[in-house]
Amino acid sequence: GQNIDQPTEMTATEGAIVQINCTYQTSGFNGLFWYQQHAGEAPTFLSYNVLDGLEEKGRFSSFLSRSKGYSYLLLKELQMKDSASYLCAVRGTSGTYKYIFGTGTRLKVLA
Amino acid sequence: DTAVSQTPKYLVTQMGNDKSIKCEQNLGHDTMYWYKQDSKKFLKIMFSYNNKELIINETVPNRFSPKSPDKAHLNLHINSLELGDSAVYFCASSQSSGHSEQFFGPGTRLTVL
Repeated sequence: GQNIDQPTEMTATEGAIVQINCTYQTSGFNGLFWYQQHAGEAPTFLSYNVLDGLEEKGRFSSFLSRSKGYSYLLLKELQMKDSASYLCAVRGTSGTYKYIFGTGTRLKVLA
Repeated sequence: DTAVSQTPKYLVTQMGNDKSIKCEQNLGHDTMYWYKQDSKKFLKIMFSYNNKELIINETVPNRFSPKSPDKAHLNLHINSLELGDSAVYFCASSQSSGHSEQFFGPGTRLTVL
């Protein structure tokens, strides 16, 4: 079967660092995506990993280990506006165009 | 300019009615999708079209019928609406080549009474 697991909720303090984990089991792999979704809004793209290692983009970084079926999203210098859901999604083998989403992690940033 | 647009943004209707949601993208992408996001915020793929051809149909009741008149448009028609159809429906698009991030429309909140 195909499965993506993320913690349901996390809480962190403004200015801190938080790591959101994602583990996946999918038939075929052609990239892992992280999206941010604020309440009542559409998901927006944050990062993409297809090779093992760390991708850094400002305050956000994403890591991938394909052999372990594992990724994390690292958010540094947390701000109140980072309170949102973070969705991990895996794209199936090239040609299927199918993205499987995790249930999302709701992050609350406290002052 | 809006990249992916959907209409309507809100839809409130009675059980048994038929309704349509429209989606348009101006990004020149070749692939479009419909997702359903339920009250638990789980985003589940329903359909995907590549160059107007249906390539993914995820065990969705046949009351749901997508139509792609061209690469830039993907509409969703729902017959005989049921209470369980209440959800937010997101349209998205991506390019099949490259790292292919998806761009989402603003969503249509459907409430069936």
